[in-house]
Amino acid sequence: DGGITQSPKYLFRKEGQNVTLSCEQNLNHDAMYWYRQDPGQGLRLIYYSQIVNDFQKGDIAEGYSVSREKKESFPLTVTSAQKNPTAFYLCASSRMQGNTGELFFGEGSRLTVL
Amino acid sequence: QKEVEQNSGPLSVPEGAIASLNCTYSDRGSQSFFWYRQYSGKSPELIMSIYSNGDKEDGRFTAQLNKASQYVSLLIRDSQPSDSATYLCAVTSSAGGGADGLTFGKGTHLIIQP
Repeated sequence: DGGITQSPKYLFRKEGQNVTLSCEQNLNHDAMYWYRQDPGQGLRLIYYSQIVNDFQKGDIAEGYSVSREKKESFPLTVTSAQKNPTAFYLCASSRMQGNTGELFFGEGSRLTVL
Repeated sequence: QKEVEQNSGPLSVPEGAIASLNCTYSDRGSQSFFWYRQYSGKSPELIMSIYSNGDKEDGRFTAQLNKASQYVSLLIRDSQPSDSATYLCAVTSSAGGGADGLTFGKGTHLIIQP
């Protein structure tokens, strides 16, 4: 079945550590996205990529980094510069050709900073 | 700054009644509009999309769009306890047309009372 796989589902981190969240899709979608969700809040865009080896900052990119070396993969690194990293992180993808904007989501990764 | 506004709720509706969820958006050039359902601790799932003014029906769900008023709504008929969830309204930007991701509201928490 086609879909988006995020790992790990749960992650605990000590302050000052970088962590990398994995996102893999087999939908053959060109565009991929990372969103952050805090309790009682909507989704806020961190980074997105429309094509391999290219990506753009979203609304809250500070303290995060990404790479897009393969079409299928879009990992997110939460760096120690991110002041409040505890959140639910969602990866999504969409088609570019004939794109209506519809996003397909992975199951999410919940990061807790101890 | 693109904004999508929703009443956070909770909105409590008796089982079998009609639930009405509303959303306004600030980007007048937005072209695509989506309603996602999110259960607690889970990722969002698309339930309705709408692209032109008027109503769009799918089973018990009806989406309504009024671009002149910058208003989107979702009606859920014959509400069931399984409809209890947070409903997120999302829109594309006029600049990116969807390729730069969706802007989400904070969501309306819907409770269906048996």
